Amino acid sequence: GENVEQHPSTLSVQEGDSAVIKCTYSDSASNYFPWYKQELGKRPQLIIDIRSNVGEKKDQRIAVTLNKTAKHFSLHITETQPEDSAVYFCAARGEASGNTGKLIFGQGTTLQVKP
Amino acid sequence: DAMVIQNPRYQVTQFGKPVTLSCSQTLNHNVMYWYQQKSSQAPKLLFHYYDKDFNNEADTPDNFQSRRPNTSFCFLDIRSPGLGDAAMYLCATSRDFNSGEQFFGPGTRLTVL
Repeated sequence: GENVEQHPSTLSVQEGDSAVIKCTYSDSASNYFPWYKQELGKRPQLIIDIRSNVGEKKDQRIAVTLNKTAKHFSLHITETQPEDSAVYFCAARGEASGNTGKLIFGQGTTLQVKP
Repeated sequence: DAMVIQNPRYQVTQFGKPVTLSCSQTLNHNVMYWYQQKSSQAPKLLFHYYDKDFNNEADTPDNFQSRRPNTSFCFLDIRSPGLGDAAMYLCATSRDFNSGEQFFGPGTRLTVL
């Protein structure tokens, strides 16, 4: 079945620095790649997503890049702030999902932004 | 203006005592999902409904059942909870399978004593 690998599992940065989280996926037919942020004890919230017909997407301090050939996509957070501290999950959806909308999640990255 | 609501937020049950978790949505979305999330892990899909069509994940234990009496509501029934079923249970919705974002509810934290 489809698999999504996410790295690193933990990431610690100083406030103001950039953070990058990377994911690779196995199903070349995957066409939708969301990123979710989950604060402790709260719901996952979509922060940005990208579809396979786009190589990059930005939203203020957050950007996502997609390399379909290499089957990987990355989340970039610039000028990190303490409130960016959370667990981030990448996910992929594609043909292997059997047209059910099923998201295959990565294992998660715990980001800590030190003041 | 809550969109996906889950009740209760915290549920404590005894080993083997049936429990029902509730999810409702105001988005009029066709698809409703139930996920199980254990500490420090990604959400794991248990099953989903497209309207009234039910789809069970292959590795979802028989102990877990679901009902969707109408568009707005979906229930997760755990017939005989075991200690290993203690987790956060997340409900999510999407307009259609390929419409994009899944909206998550706040979750129900289940404790099994």
